[in-house]
Amino acid sequence: KAGVTQTPRYLIKTRGQQVTLSCSPISGHRSVSWYQQTPGQGLQFLFEYFSETQRNKGNFPGRFSGRQFSNSRSEMNVSTLELGDSALYLCASSLDGQGSNEQFFGPGTRLTVL
Amino acid sequence: GENVEQHPSTLSVQEGDSAVIKCTYSDSASNYFPWYKQELGKGPQLIIDIRSNVGEKKDQRIAVTLNKTAKHFSLHITETQPEDSAVYFCAAILYGQNFVFGPGTRLSVLP
Repeated sequence: KAGVTQTPRYLIKTRGQQVTLSCSPISGHRSVSWYQQTPGQGLQFLFEYFSETQRNKGNFPGRFSGRQFSNSRSEMNVSTLELGDSALYLCASSLDGQGSNEQFFGPGTRLTVL
Repeated sequence: GENVEQHPSTLSVQEGDSAVIKCTYSDSASNYFPWYKQELGKGPQLIIDIRSNVGEKKDQRIAVTLNKTAKHFSLHITETQPEDSAVYFCAAILYGQNFVFGPGTRLSVLP
């Protein structure tokens, strides 16, 4: 069974630009969660999608948004990029995301904002 | 909301020795506690998990113990090997809520 895939793996942008990251969950998984990982803040929860609906949201500004498609694939978008947005963005999938099922992570997208 | 603390932040052990990482959580209603291993350049990988109705779980050289009264759980790695060197994260999950991760422990296994 294929794991969670994320594209692109690396991205370099400049301040003020916007970026879209993509995540394909494990087949059959309907929940996709997004995290930001930085050396100083660790793994910070961004949001979770289930059946095309955002079900949980972390404490990030509105510049961070996401969506989920009918095939459970998900995208996240960051608008008006800031230097502090440089991080590893991870997505994770689970069967239903209700906390009782294992969550599996993709390899991440390394975003660098110059 | 849930808050997870993790200690130590760094741990160095000699190959063959045991390593123990401890996490404490704040919400007594949390009921699922996974551990992840993250190697350089990779996403976190689930290595073992435990649910609140179980006190201990073992998988070869890895074990996790849970003390619900004290609200802490620990990862035990025996007979450590160089390939165990990585960053380990614990998490605590309340049903219906998002995962809350500890800050991580960098484990170095010295040959």
